[in-house]
Amino acid sequence: NAGVTQTPKFRVLKTGQSMTLLCAQDMNHEYMYWYRQDPGMGLRLIHYSVGEGTTAKGEVPDGYNVSRLKKQNFLLGLESAAPSQTSVYFCASRQLSGTGELFFGEGSRLTVL
Amino acid sequence: QQPVQSPQAVILREGEDAVINCSSSKALYSVHWYRQKHGEAPVFLMILLKGGEQKGHDKISASFNEKKQQSSLYLTASQLSYSGTYFCGTRLAGGTSYGKLTFGQGTILTVHP
Repeated sequence: NAGVTQTPKFRVLKTGQSMTLLCAQDMNHEYMYWYRQDPGMGLRLIHYSVGEGTTAKGEVPDGYNVSRLKKQNFLLGLESAAPSQTSVYFCASRQLSGTGELFFGEGSRLTVL
Repeated sequence: QQPVQSPQAVILREGEDAVINCSSSKALYSVHWYRQKHGEAPVFLMILLKGGEQKGHDKISASFNEKKQQSSLYLTASQLSYSGTYFCGTRLAGGTSYGKLTFGQGTILTVHP
């Protein structure tokens, strides 16, 4: 089982460039989330989705867009990257019911110069 | 609001015990605990639902005092493998949260031989 897979794992961008992070899960989970992790600040929720075709804003959504066209995929886009978006990005998913456990991907390290 | 974890860092010798605390200013439905090794994804340890229950996971246990909106993680007879950053994630009571968790800033635990 692959679980939650994120691509790419590393990326360096110049200010103003755009990119998309892909999250794919093979566990048929309904809920998916994008978090960013910065030193000393824990994990902060960017956007989330409660099902195919739905998305909603989290704590720190500015500068990001998301889409969930297929249940298994959740895409995070940066239209015009800024140095403040340098971070490690984690995707997570969970079942509709059950323990509420989040399954995380291995993370994507993004550097914006 | 982000829950507050204390202490920020703990250094132990193998076999020693530690307590990590997580405190919220809002009413909580549940508290989740995760451990993250350096360069890896966070891994689920346990979830505590309101009701003051205590859970155990090998030699790691936790409690949740819903009146005080506080949770504590207890690590007994620590092992080298316990080293990592521990995060609490809180889910607010009331309304529909869609499983969204707000994470604390993390506690770095280092266990030496």
